[in-house]
Amino acid sequence: AQRVTQPEKLLSVFKGAPVELKCNYSYSGSPELFWYVQYSRQRLQLLLRHISRESIKGFTADLNKGETSFHLKKPFAQEEDSAMYYCALSGRNTDKLIFGTGTRLQVFP
Amino acid sequence: NAGVTQTPKFRILKIGQSMTLQCTQDMNHNYMYWYRQDPGMGLKLIYYSVGAGITDKGEVPNGYNVSRSTTEDFPLRLELAAPSQTSVYFCASRWDRAYNEKLFFGSGTQLSVL
Repeated sequence: AQRVTQPEKLLSVFKGAPVELKCNYSYSGSPELFWYVQYSRQRLQLLLRHISRESIKGFTADLNKGETSFHLKKPFAQEEDSAMYYCALSGRNTDKLIFGTGTRLQVFP
Repeated sequence: NAGVTQTPKFRILKIGQSMTLQCTQDMNHNYMYWYRQDPGMGLKLIYYSVGAGITDKGEVPNGYNVSRSTTEDFPLRLELAAPSQTSVYFCASRWDRAYNEKLFFGSGTQLSVL
């Protein structure tokens, strides 16, 4: 089965604090993991993809196949990071792209 | 370049009414998807298509129908609207499912069934 779990509905931190948004997945084949973000009154957009091993807006995410996780991290949160974050899963053997339930990140000044 | 365009942006339906949510993209993308977004439930895949004439069910297809007669258009039809279909609907597209190909999203349709 193809499944994505984001255990936290809401994560609240103060500006400058580290942030970790958790994502665990279930997939029998070779997974493709993504983080999408939805800022207020904007369209959903891609933030990161695991294959790129990139850092976008200070965020990074590492695919851990042993723990089936793809947690999103940022060492120092900024107020403009406040948004809804979705972890998404696809794979080489599927055309579906499945999303998790999302985590709302609130960064207070 | 308009990207993915959804119409209407807002709609209120009465129980039992029917309507079609329109989605069109001008990027010549093969893959198109319909999702619904409910608070606390995230995005659920309703239907998807990998090309003109080819559609398949997602996670929550009941109560919906789709068609894909052209590469550009992927309408979603609600035949007998129910309050449980109150949601925000998003259409998305991508070129294909090549490794890590990203989705482009529309701006959404907010639907209320009363």
